[in-house]
Amino acid sequence: GAVVSQHPSWVICKSGTSVKIECRSLDFQATTMFWYRQFPKQSLMLMATSNEGSKATYEQGVEKDKFLINHASLTLSTLTVTSAHPEDSSFYICSATYEGQGTGYTFGSGTRLTVV
Amino acid sequence: AQSVTQPDIHITVSEGASLELRCNYSYGATPYLFWYVQSPGQGLQLLLKYFSGDTLVQGIKGFEAEFKRSQSSFNLRKPSVHWSDAAEYFCAAFQTGANNLFFGTGTRLTVIP
Repeated sequence: GAVVSQHPSWVICKSGTSVKIECRSLDFQATTMFWYRQFPKQSLMLMATSNEGSKATYEQGVEKDKFLINHASLTLSTLTVTSAHPEDSSFYICSATYEGQGTGYTFGSGTRLTVV
Repeated sequence: AQSVTQPDIHITVSEGASLELRCNYSYGATPYLFWYVQSPGQGLQLLLKYFSGDTLVQGIKGFEAEFKRSQSSFNLRKPSVHWSDAAEYFCAAFQTGANNLFFGTGTRLTVIP
């Protein structure tokens, strides 16, 4: 079945540095990928939607200059947290569609980001 | 406004007991409905989904869910819970024309021996 690989699983970085998280669809072409953020004991909040070859669409309140999303190919999307601060510490999860919108979403295993 | 509601934040059941997790949606038309499970520190795994047709949907790990249009509900059930079922469960909805899943706040399941 459809598999989405997310890397790294966890990362610790110093405040002010940038961190890149990768999301790959291993056995299918993902025309659309989604990035979510999850705070402890809370639900997933959609940050942005990325379509291959075009600019990402950010949800209201998400800083596009802080959370850079690139979807350069049908199998890879990246989220870069720029100039990270402790308040950016969170669990980030990507997902990808493979059967067309609304019929299939596969999630990555998530990335735990801790900014110290 | 479109929304997905999971009324129960935390449920505790004994191993072997039956389970029902509630989910209600508020949409203009029937959305596509999903149940996901998340183990601590992990991503989400799809348990089952409903698009149309038979309102009783069978999923993985012995789970099933019933879509009830009159109640705008899509409750998740399992006849006999196993200790390994302890996790966070999310109900989600997608409506044609939108572009992403909208998640409920989740229900944390604790299983006691």
